[in-house]
Amino acid sequence: GAGVSQSPSNKVTEKGKDVELRCDPISGHTALYWYRQSLGQGLEFLIYFQGNSAPDKSGLPSDRFSAERTGGSVSTLTIQRTQQEDSAVYLCASSLESGSPLHFGNGTRLTVT
Amino acid sequence: SQQGEEDPQALSIQEGENATMNCSYKTSINNLQWYRQNSGRGLVHLILIRSNEREKHSGRLRVTLDTSKKSSSLLITASRAADTASYFCATDATGAQKLVFGQGTRLTINP
Repeated sequence: GAGVSQSPSNKVTEKGKDVELRCDPISGHTALYWYRQSLGQGLEFLIYFQGNSAPDKSGLPSDRFSAERTGGSVSTLTIQRTQQEDSAVYLCASSLESGSPLHFGNGTRLTVT
Repeated sequence: SQQGEEDPQALSIQEGENATMNCSYKTSINNLQWYRQNSGRGLVHLILIRSNEREKHSGRLRVTLDTSKKSSSLLITASRAADTASYFCATDATGAQKLVFGQGTRLTINP
């Protein structure tokens, strides 16, 4: 595709349910990031994948959050037992390599009721 | 805490005026990037400046970097209504690869 694609664009879920957010990066991009943004706030780093290296998970807020990147391409961010404070826009970005400009998707707006 | 902090948090100016936003960071960096965000969704990359560069231009954008003060500024000249957006700086610290963003500056251009 021409850009980074995220799905779904919006997700409403009940407290306690699990959700999966998907990110399709630009083909050939080795680096992939997940960020979280609450309304009117900055971007909170969650996790970073670079090639075949072990991911940098230092930003994941709790063990309810996990992410994987299969085959160096598509990535899935999973939130288990969702809480209301998980409500935010989840942004995915990819770049050609570490240190290169990021290309962002349009995000998934998650609402936990 | 965030690596980069933008100042001011919000800025409102008249169309045609220049807008200046500042970013401060805490550790040594490889490079610093500026991004724009409209409508609270995906960010768009504006400009990248490396740690060994002091100034960079792109159209109406001018970015400076002072590594001794650990600060950067973004200047938008001859502002337009379409420049209304949030602007973020992002840094990757030396020895780290992840890109960390600041809280952003909300810029409003009044027609």
